[in-house]
Amino acid sequence: DTGVSQNPRHKITKRGQNVTFRCDPISEHNRLYWYRQTLGQGPEFLTYFQNEAQLEKSRLLSDRFSAERPKGSFSTLEIQRTEQGDSAMYLCASSWTVEETQYFGPGTRLLVL
Amino acid sequence: GQQLNQSPQSMFIQEGEDVSMNCTSSSIFNTWLWYKQDPGEGPVLLIALYKAGELTSNGRLTAQFGITRKDSFLNISASIPSDVGIYFCAGLDRGSTLGRLYFGRGTQLTVWP
Repeated sequence: DTGVSQNPRHKITKRGQNVTFRCDPISEHNRLYWYRQTLGQGPEFLTYFQNEAQLEKSRLLSDRFSAERPKGSFSTLEIQRTEQGDSAMYLCASSWTVEETQYFGPGTRLLVL
Repeated sequence: GQQLNQSPQSMFIQEGEDVSMNCTSSSIFNTWLWYKQDPGEGPVLLIALYKAGELTSNGRLTAQFGITRKDSFLNISASIPSDVGIYFCAGLDRGSTLGRLYFGRGTQLTVWP
């Protein structure tokens, strides 16, 4: 399977804990995006990488959130001191250039108790 | 930011019927994308539109990029039970937002056998 993969698929954590999600994009894609989706809404943009450079961050990405793409391949999204409002589906997408369409992974569903 | 209005919010139809849904924006987009999302999964790309006025088909699906570049519609012909899911439109403004996708809130499609 050469699609976008995300791990874990599900994560349950207690409020105040840190969590980290991983995204492996389609191998030849140099652009990687993180989105967040809450129930009844469409995905909302969080941040974007071109290769290893983080080029844009949404105001939704508070200082408790950090994303990295150290070698321009896989990416991690970390949430520190989780809050119940962080409960959502976290989606990763990748593309080759900005003109190309974005292909999404299956998502990581986070539940903060 | 750009606002996408997607309608209808939900549809209940009988197998074999045709379906039409649309999306309008307050801003101009250079690309319109249509995705389908099943419960607990990431969005799957259905159709991508790159030029104003473009009409594109993918099997029983047909989508058009509006002339004003502020709207798009998706038609599904002869619906079948596996068409059930949430359909999202998404717009891309290549000129200013570095590939960030803006999504509608989705159309929930239910198909009765």
